[in-house]
Amino acid sequence: AQRVTQPEKLLSVFKGAPVELKCNYSYSGSPELFWYVQYSRQRLQLLLRHISRESIKGFTADLNKGETSFHLKKPFAQEEDSAMYYCALRPNPNAGGTSYGKLTFGQGTILTVHP
Amino acid sequence: DSGVTQTPKHLITATGQRVTLRCSPRSGDLSVYWYQQSLDQGLQFLIQYYNGEERAKGNILERFSAQQFPDLHSELNLSSLELGDSALYFCASSVYMEGDEQYFGPGTRLTVT
Repeated sequence: AQRVTQPEKLLSVFKGAPVELKCNYSYSGSPELFWYVQYSRQRLQLLLRHISRESIKGFTADLNKGETSFHLKKPFAQEEDSAMYYCALRPNPNAGGTSYGKLTFGQGTILTVHP
Repeated sequence: DSGVTQTPKHLITATGQRVTLRCSPRSGDLSVYWYQQSLDQGLQFLIQYYNGEERAKGNILERFSAQQFPDLHSELNLSSLELGDSALYFCASSVYMEGDEQYFGPGTRLTVT
């Protein structure tokens, strides 16, 4: 079974402060990990995925297989970063099976960046 | 808008009723996914269709069913509605299945009274 845990429901920081949104997962195989973001009144959109290893809007996330974590980090938070963030897992498509399209989401973390 | 579209935006209905939610994928996308977002369960995968065929099933109740039509739009049918079915229902689409980014629609907010 696959499971994603985001331990913080709410996270508040001040503008310019570093921010880290935690994500831990459990999965027996080799997963793909994603971060999705949902800004107020907007649809869910992909922020980044671990296989691309790129930085989007200043956010980065490193897959730590030993700790089964995929924490999202940004060194200097901005007010426009305030949103709901979801960590998600998908079975590696090269692993076969029939559930490779399925995304399993964590419960989400609401990030509020204060001025 | 060439993105994923969902209708209706909002739906209010009574317990015991049946509703149909509609999703049109992005142009060219063959896969459609349905997710339910509720306060207690979070965002959960319901079902996936690829080119008209069911591909994967998640935590979808027997009272719920879905299909994907030849024009690739999809419908999610919810019957014998209960208060606990109140949620935001998202549709997502991707080009194929493996390794593709899923693009989400704006969602349909269902309220069961």
